[in-house]
Parts: sequence; C-alpha cells; structure tokens
Amino acid sequence: DTGVSQDPRHKITKRGQNVTFRCDPISEHNRLYWYRQTLGQGPEFLTYFQNEAQLEKSRLLSDRFSAERPKGSFSTLEIQRTEQGDSAMYLCASSPAQGANTEAFFGQGTRLTVV
Amino acid sequence: AQSVTQLDSHVSVSEGTPVLLRCNYSSSYSPSLFWYVQHPNKGLQLLLKYTSAATLVKGINGFEAEFKKSETSFHLTKPSAHMSDAAEYFCVVSDYGGSQGNLIFGKGTKLSVKP
Repeated sequence: DTGVSQDPRHKITKRGQNVTFRCDPISEHNRLYWYRQTLGQGPEFLTYFQNEAQLEKSRLLSDRFSAERPKGSFSTLEIQRTEQGDSAMYLCASSPAQGANTEAFFGQGTRLTVV
Repeated sequence: AQSVTQLDSHVSVSEGTPVLLRCNYSSSYSPSLFWYVQHPNKGLQLLLKYTSAATLVKGINGFEAEFKKSETSFHLTKPSAHMSDAAEYFCVVSDYGGSQGNLIFGKGTKLSVKP
C-alpha cells in the first residue's frame, strides 16, 4: 500500500502524559500536513511542512504541541502534558509540492483519548 | 479570510433519489474548492475539485458540483443515491489561492441513504 500511513491508529493516555504520533506520507510528496478533527466537526489545520521546513503553524498548535519532519520524509507530532481537550482524531495528509490545487491525500488518522 | 458553510448537518434520502448537499463559501479572491468524503473508519477521500476552469465539475462515483460565483455556492449533487454513498461529506476551500497550504473544512454533512 503506497498511501499515507499513520501510527498508532488508536492511543489512550492518562492526562499529563506525553504522546507521539507518526505519519509516513506518500514517498514522492514534498508537502505534509497535520489536522485535528473533533467529534461532529470538520478537520482543523494544525501545521504543514514542505520537505523538512515547517512553513505554517495554526494558533491551535499550543506550545505543548510540536511537529517535526527531520529528513523531509516521515513526520512526528508530539503532545506534551496531554489534557482531556486534546482528545481528537489527528489526521496527516500529503501532496506534491508542484502544481497548485493538487489533491491532498489523507491517512486514516490517529484517534487520541485522554482519560 | 476564507470560510465555508455547509447548510445541512444531516441529509437523508432514499436509495435511487437525487442527492443535494449544500455549501456556501466566503473568499477574498477566486477560490479553489473541494468536496471530500469520509466513510467510517476510513481516510478522507477527494470527490472533486474546482480550480477556476469549468464551473461544472465532475467527480468520482457519479457526483458533481457547480461553482456559482454570484451565489458563492458550490453544491454537491448526484442524480441517484446508492447505499454506499452513506458517509460524511466535507466542503473545503483552499486558503492560498490553490496552494493547499491550508485547507479550510466545513463542519460536514452526514448523508444517510434509506433502502
């Protein structure tokens, strides 16, 4: 399967713990995006990378959140000192850098539950 | 700022009848617009996209959407619903004139299809 892969698919953690999610984009895609989706809402933009450069961060991305894409391939999203409000589906997507309006391909997401 | 409003949170149709999912957008320039579908436990999938070419856009699975600038609308239609169309549908506007640096999602419309 050459689609966007996210790991883990589900994560249950206790409040205050740190969690890290991984995203493997489609191999030839230079752009990688992170979104968060809460129940009954559409996905909300968190951040995106072009190659290893993080080009934009949403105000939703508090200082407890950090994302990396060290070699321009896979990316990690870490949440420190998790709170119950962090419970959501975290979606990763990738797209080719060239060509405006090209499709973004989404992974199946990581569902985080903070108890 | 760009935004989208999906006018119905839930639409229910009978199998074989037409589908209409409504979306209005707000954009300070010529927008790029998309419809994505999300089936349970599956990733978001692109149905179709408008990128300032033809105003009537055809997508996968028999769906199409018409861009109407005068009405700032981008409604999704299908002549005949199938049971497999039951899913959540998201209208999306691109924030950077099509660069997809930031996709802004509507809140979604859940489509139910009755036998």
